[in-house]
Amino acid sequence: NAGVTQTPKFQVLKTGQSMTLQCAQDMNHEYMSWYRQDPGMGLRLIHYSVGAGITDQGEVPNGYNVSRSTTEDFPLRLLSAAPSQTSVYFCASSYSTGAVGYTFGSGTRLTVV
Amino acid sequence: GQQLNQSPQSMFIQEGEDVSMNCTSSSIFNTWLWYKQDPGEGPVLLIALYKAGELTSNGRLTAQFGITRKDSFLNISASIPSDVGIYFCAGLTGANSKLTFGKGITLSVRP
Repeated sequence: NAGVTQTPKFQVLKTGQSMTLQCAQDMNHEYMSWYRQDPGMGLRLIHYSVGAGITDQGEVPNGYNVSRSTTEDFPLRLLSAAPSQTSVYFCASSYSTGAVGYTFGSGTRLTVV
Repeated sequence: GQQLNQSPQSMFIQEGEDVSMNCTSSSIFNTWLWYKQDPGEGPVLLIALYKAGELTSNGRLTAQFGITRKDSFLNISASIPSDVGIYFCAGLTGANSKLTFGKGITLSVRP
């Protein structure tokens, strides 16, 4: 099925560990982005990419790295996990930055202990 | 930065009732969007609004783009249990802008 696929769905990390959240889309979308969702805070933009090889910071980028080597994939790396990074992470894609039709993945629930 | 304000944080209604949600901003947006997030899933687009004053329906949902371009509302008529979820408003300021999201309203529907 066409869409945005996120893996893993759940993850528990210890403080200081690193890991990569995977995001892949098969719709040939140029624009991809990562959000975190915390209770009462809505969706906050972490990093985004307007095409392969191009990434930029969003509202809350600290502690996260991204790269975009292909159109399909946009992984999010946590370099040294902290309890403050406990959240639900969503990847979204669309055919352009200002496009209306963002498609979201089903999320990764991350707990850092 | 731009902010979209949604309140209250939670709403509780009886099945069959209508409910209305507002979204306001101090900034002008050129496109207003309403998303719904089911438990354990990502948000899904419900309605998109492109012109000030525009009124658009999608089944039992009706949304309007405020004439000042600084607000929007979403109305759900004859609510049913599957309307439960978080409703986000979102806005775009221009063709190359990124989506700005409100903090969402969690809707509960009592059978």
